[in-house]
Amino acid sequence: KAGVTQTPRYLIKTRGQQVTLSCSPISGHRSVSWYQQTPGQGLQFLFEYFSETQRNKGNFPGRFSGRQFSNSRSEMNVSTLELGDSALYLCASSWDKGTDTQYFGPGTRLTVL
Amino acid sequence: QQQVKQSPQSLIVQKGGISIINCAYENTAFDYFPWYQQFPGKGPALLIAIRPDVSEKKEGRFTISFNKSAKQFSLHIMDSQPGDSATYFCAASMAGTASKLTFGTGTRLQVTL
Repeated sequence: KAGVTQTPRYLIKTRGQQVTLSCSPISGHRSVSWYQQTPGQGLQFLFEYFSETQRNKGNFPGRFSGRQFSNSRSEMNVSTLELGDSALYLCASSWDKGTDTQYFGPGTRLTVL
Repeated sequence: QQQVKQSPQSLIVQKGGISIINCAYENTAFDYFPWYQQFPGKGPALLIAIRPDVSEKKEGRFTISFNKSAKQFSLHIMDSQPGDSATYFCAASMAGTASKLTFGTGTRLQVTL
């Protein structure tokens, strides 16, 4: 079974731009979560989608948003990029939102110049 | 507010030795405690997980010890191997929200020959 895939793997943007990252969960998984990983703040939860609905949200500004499609694929968007948004963005999927193991993708490395 | 504290930040262990990483949590609502292993350029991968109804769980060379009263849990890697060299994260989540993980700050483990 294929793992979680994320595209693109690397991205360079400039301040003020917006960016969209994509995540394809493991086949059959219905929950998709997003995390931001930085050297300073570590791994931080952004939000979780289940059956196209946002079920949980972390403490990030409204510039960070996401959505989930009917095939469980998910996208996250960051608008008005700031230098501090440079990070590895990780997507994780699981079968059920409540109890199952999270399987992480390799991440998208975003650099904001 | 950091709800899961992890130590040490880095650890060097000789091949065949025991690696021990500790975590402490504050939120008594946490009821799922996984450990993740991350290699450079990869997303975190689940190593082993425990729930508070047991005090210890062993899978191969990896053991979680859990102390509910002290709100602490630890990972023991027996017979550490150079291939175990990676960054290890403890995490926690609340009932029904296993997809919303709060991570520790990570421990960089190096196993020397």
